[in-house]
Amino acid sequence: EPEVTQTPSHQVTQMGQEVILRCVPISNHLYFYWYRQILGQKVEFLVSFYNNEISEKSEIFDDQFSVERPDGSNFTLKIRSTKLEDSAMYFCASSEESAIRDYGYTFGSGTRLTVV
Amino acid sequence: GQNIDQPTEMTATEGAIVQINCTYQTSGFNGLFWYQQHAGEAPTFLSYNVLDGLEEKGRFSSFLSRSKGYSYLLLKELQMKDSASYLCAVTPPPGDSNYQLIWGAGTKLIIKP
Repeated sequence: EPEVTQTPSHQVTQMGQEVILRCVPISNHLYFYWYRQILGQKVEFLVSFYNNEISEKSEIFDDQFSVERPDGSNFTLKIRSTKLEDSAMYFCASSEESAIRDYGYTFGSGTRLTVV
Repeated sequence: GQNIDQPTEMTATEGAIVQINCTYQTSGFNGLFWYQQHAGEAPTFLSYNVLDGLEEKGRFSSFLSRSKGYSYLLLKELQMKDSASYLCAVTPPPGDSNYQLIWGAGTKLIIKP
C-alpha cells in the first residue's frame, strides 16, 4: 500500500536553530499538507501546497515557516529560529482529491521535533 | 467560528459496542472525517460522510446528520487494538477553504478485557 514517508522520525534541536523536515508524498497525489500536533492537543493545520505553490496557510504558518518542493518527489517544511513552543509532532499528508471519499488524506508517520 | 465537540474519554469492554459522538458548529460544512490515532502515531483514515445517513465499513460505521450538526462513529465487536483516540474532522465548503481540515480534540477510547 502506498505510504507517505517522513524523515527524520525524531529531531532534537537547540533553540534558535533551523530545521528542515522532509516528506515524500504518494507519487500520484497532487495536494500536500503539513499539520502539527503539540503533545496532548489538537491536530492543527499549517499549510497546503498544490501546483508548486502554497494554496492555503493558517495563522500559525508565519514568516518563521516555509515549504518547498525541491524536486519531483520531496516536500519539505523549514522552520527558522526554532522556539521551545515549536516542539510538536509534525505530520505531512497528501491527497488525490478524487479519492478523498474513499481514502481521505494519507498521513505520514510524523517527525517528533523537540526544541531544547 | 469553528467548533467541534467530542467527549474527552470513553471506556468500553472487549467484545462490546461503543458509540463516539461528534457535534460541530462551523460557518460552513462540506463533509466529516473520522480518523483513528494510536498514541505517538499518525492519524489513519476511517470514514468520510458527506450525505446524511449511516455508512458501514466492517466493524466500524459512521453516521451523519447535517441538519443537526451531528455525527457518530460506531465500533462493534471491540478488540483491545481499538484502544486509541478517535478524531472527528470537518472539511469546510469550497470557497471557505479548499484544503484544510478542522479537527476536534479527539476521544480517547479505553478498551478493558
